[in-house]
Amino acid sequence: SQQGEEDPQALSIQEGENATMNCSYKTSINNLQWYRQNSGRGLVHLILIRSNEREKHSGRLRVTLDTSKKSSSLLITASRAADTASYFCATDARNYGQNFVFGPGTRLSVLP
Amino acid sequence: GAVVSQHPSRVICKSGTSVKIECRSLDFQATTMFWYRQFPKKSLMLMATSNEGSKATYEQGVEKDKFLINHASLTLSTLTVTSAHPEDSSFYICSGTGGSTDTQYFGPGTRLTVL
Repeated sequence: SQQGEEDPQALSIQEGENATMNCSYKTSINNLQWYRQNSGRGLVHLILIRSNEREKHSGRLRVTLDTSKKSSSLLITASRAADTASYFCATDARNYGQNFVFGPGTRLSVLP
Repeated sequence: GAVVSQHPSRVICKSGTSVKIECRSLDFQATTMFWYRQFPKKSLMLMATSNEGSKATYEQGVEKDKFLINHASLTLSTLTVTSAHPEDSSFYICSGTGGSTDTQYFGPGTRLTVL
């Protein structure tokens, strides 16, 4: 099974609400990264959180990392229709014998 | 953030032909470049990792003779899909890392359609 697995696979919310996506992984990691992808486009890097960090913020984004549970969450506050996209987590475990592995992604729809 | 370009953005070719996709880091030196493929509504699958000046490391199940990767300089990597078949149709995305950051910067992707 995949190293990084997001849940939910699809999420639909109203504008202004918060969206939370989770990612679980299986091995030790160097860092975990969250990316966003608009339909049919490349990926945009959102946040990188290192294995010794527990929480990071960037604008309306908040990422947490719990290495004991091998899980991470991405919270988008006060969502906007423009946040509609697929969100992927990717684990960097190159020091542990595994290259970047992407989870299946969460498709977020923010309804106006 | 750093910028990575890919060319072409879209290509349609006949079965049996070869297609080359270029990936360029425009404002940083990409010591490592990655190639991914993505099927519709699916996640990215890492195909190979290449370091400048050395042979690419392919992931299990990826045919290195079919997907030729060249990382000739710190700003350019190419992926050549040889003797393409319809099952090679996919969205191919490259990324690069460099300097002191572990962050990958992704290109916009190339949509390959093999008829």
